[in-house]
Amino acid sequence: EAGVVQSPRYKIIEKKQPVAFWCNPISGHNTLYWYLQNLGQGPELLIRYENEEAVDDSQLPKDRFSAERLKGVDSTLKIQPAELGDSAVYLCASSLLGTSGSWEDEQFFGPGTRLTVL
Amino acid sequence: DAKTTQPPSMDCAEGRAANLPCNHSTISGNEYVYWYRQIHSQGPQYIIHGLKNNETNEMASLIITEDRKSSTLILPHATLRDTAVYYCIVGYNTDKLIFGTGTRLQVFP
Repeated sequence: EAGVVQSPRYKIIEKKQPVAFWCNPISGHNTLYWYLQNLGQGPELLIRYENEEAVDDSQLPKDRFSAERLKGVDSTLKIQPAELGDSAVYLCASSLLGTSGSWEDEQFFGPGTRLTVL
Repeated sequence: DAKTTQPPSMDCAEGRAANLPCNHSTISGNEYVYWYRQIHSQGPQYIIHGLKNNETNEMASLIITEDRKSSTLILPHATLRDTAVYYCIVGYNTDKLIFGTGTRLQVFP
């Protein structure tokens, strides 16, 4: 079974440029997460989707960050314009919310996209 | 803020058991204890979780104290591939994981 796929794996851009990250979750997983991970820190949730709906975007800096999950499958995370402080690893994860309202036991993470802003 | 406290780093000899402690003194009655690990340049990977009882799977064992204020993750025979950052997380559901800084486990030959 394929895991969570993210692309690109690495991205280097100049500050003030736009950048986009793509995530393909595990087939059938209705819940998708985007995390930010700074060096030496644990991942921090940016946004969580249940199907197409963003159910928790309280930590997403909406002045420059945006995300979408069209058709409830793939998702993109965009930063425009990028700042030096956005250099980090951006992780995507997915999980399954069952019809009974309970989640399966774990989140499955992709390998992440390492962003460097110069 | 993370609701757990873990030592920043630990060492373990290959083949020996690695015992990773975690304090979660403010855990609520219905909160689970989750353990994830993150190998260098990879995303976090689920290891195990538990509520009250001790749990064991093919990767590890989880020992939760009776008062649930602390727990220990046990890797029974550590290998070099177990070198990673281990995160102890408490939460009601797997959808709301708040990661701390974890414990960096170094397994040496």
